[in-house]
Amino acid sequence: DARVTQTPRHKVTEMGQEVTMRCQPILGHNTVFWYRQTMMQGLELLAYFRNRAPLDDSGMPKDRFSAEMPDATLATLKIQPSEPRDSAVYFCASGLVPGFTGELFFGEGSRLTVL
Amino acid sequence: QQQVKQSPQSLIVQKGGISIINCAYENTAFDYFPWYQQFPGKGPALLIAIRPDVSEKKEGRFTISFNKSAKQFSLHIMDSQPGDSATYFCAASWSRGATNKLIFGTGTLLAVQP
Repeated sequence: DARVTQTPRHKVTEMGQEVTMRCQPILGHNTVFWYRQTMMQGLELLAYFRNRAPLDDSGMPKDRFSAEMPDATLATLKIQPSEPRDSAVYFCASGLVPGFTGELFFGEGSRLTVL
Repeated sequence: QQQVKQSPQSLIVQKGGISIINCAYENTAFDYFPWYQQFPGKGPALLIAIRPDVSEKKEGRFTISFNKSAKQFSLHIMDSQPGDSATYFCAASWSRGATNKLIFGTGTLLAVQP
């Protein structure tokens, strides 16, 4: 069945290391969102792509985070260098526009721990 | 204006009881108000959604009540079951040209006791 696939599911790394998270959206979906979930901040929108073009990355710390969609089947979120405050669960979600009704399909998340 | 405020932060309900979660928003540009359900270790999943021109929507035991003038909406879970124990997020979405956004509330952790 169609689902959003995220890798890795879990990642433990040391401060200063580069982290790359990958997402395969549902085939045919033309929008991809990256969210970060923490206990304190809840679900924060980091970036948004439509038809592979980045439309909004205002929620992302620009100095260390970057997001790309090299093709329609792959979205990446990179953190370089990583810091302990980046520890969170990162979710990718995909959907369809036009006709957006607030329905997004989420992956199971990438749990990142930065020591 | 982009925020969605959600309460309570946590909720304990007895099996068979009614669970009520409330949300409020400021931005009148929002055009859909979905609720998401999240189980531990999983991503959020759409539960039910409502448009602002509708005052109530019911799907099974789940009902959204919407008060446009007060800019508030709520989720009611009737006959709550232990399997409903999860985190619930209200959200608000808007579409303007090429831009779409989905903003989430802070979440409510629901525990339904048997």
